[in-house]
Amino acid sequence: DAMVIQNPRYQVTQFGKPVTLSCSQTLNHNVMYWYQQKSSQAPKLLFHYYDKDFNNEADTPDNFQSRRPNTSFCFLDIRSPGLGDAAMYLCATSGSVGPGYNEQFFGPGTRLTVL
Amino acid sequence: GQQVMQIPQYQHVQEGEDFTTYCNSSTTLSNIQWYKQRPGGHPVFLIQLVKSGEVKKQKRLTFQFGEAKKNSSLHITATQTTDVGTYFCAGLPTQGGSEKLVFGKGTKLTVNP
Repeated sequence: DAMVIQNPRYQVTQFGKPVTLSCSQTLNHNVMYWYQQKSSQAPKLLFHYYDKDFNNEADTPDNFQSRRPNTSFCFLDIRSPGLGDAAMYLCATSGSVGPGYNEQFFGPGTRLTVL
Repeated sequence: GQQVMQIPQYQHVQEGEDFTTYCNSSTTLSNIQWYKQRPGGHPVFLIQLVKSGEVKKQKRLTFQFGEAKKNSSLHITATQTTDVGTYFCAGLPTQGGSEKLVFGKGTKLTVNP
């Protein structure tokens, strides 16, 4: 089945120790998104790629970086995790942008704990 | 900035009762989508509404998009315990050339059996 896969599902890191979260998709979708979701809150968009075109949100801290080496894979790098970065990180994909094409398919998420 | 307000934040019902959540946008939307997130799970796409005044049904769920394309609602008839979760609306603003969905804060539904 076509799907969005995230690894690992659970990640524990130490304060300040870099961490990388990965996302892969078999949907051949053009757009990939990274969201941060904290408890009882809506997903917060960090950035997205439309093909190779990177789009950063204005309020995404510089601590967060992303890479998309090919259509299928996208990575979220947190360079120096702080306690406030503990959250669920959701990867999502959509076929395109614009009404009718932008329904998003979410992966299961990676829950990040920062000690 | 563009906002999508969603109410209520929480709703607790007895099984069999109806449930409605409402979304209102500060700007006109090209489309609005609804997602369901089960406890411990990830958001799952339910439906997309594009046309002014559009109404769509999925079994016990009825989705509406307002005539002005600034508000939407999700109504569940005769709730079941399987309906438990958080329901998010997400709209695509028509102005600003944005490609990004703006999510509401969600309505968390609990159902007492």
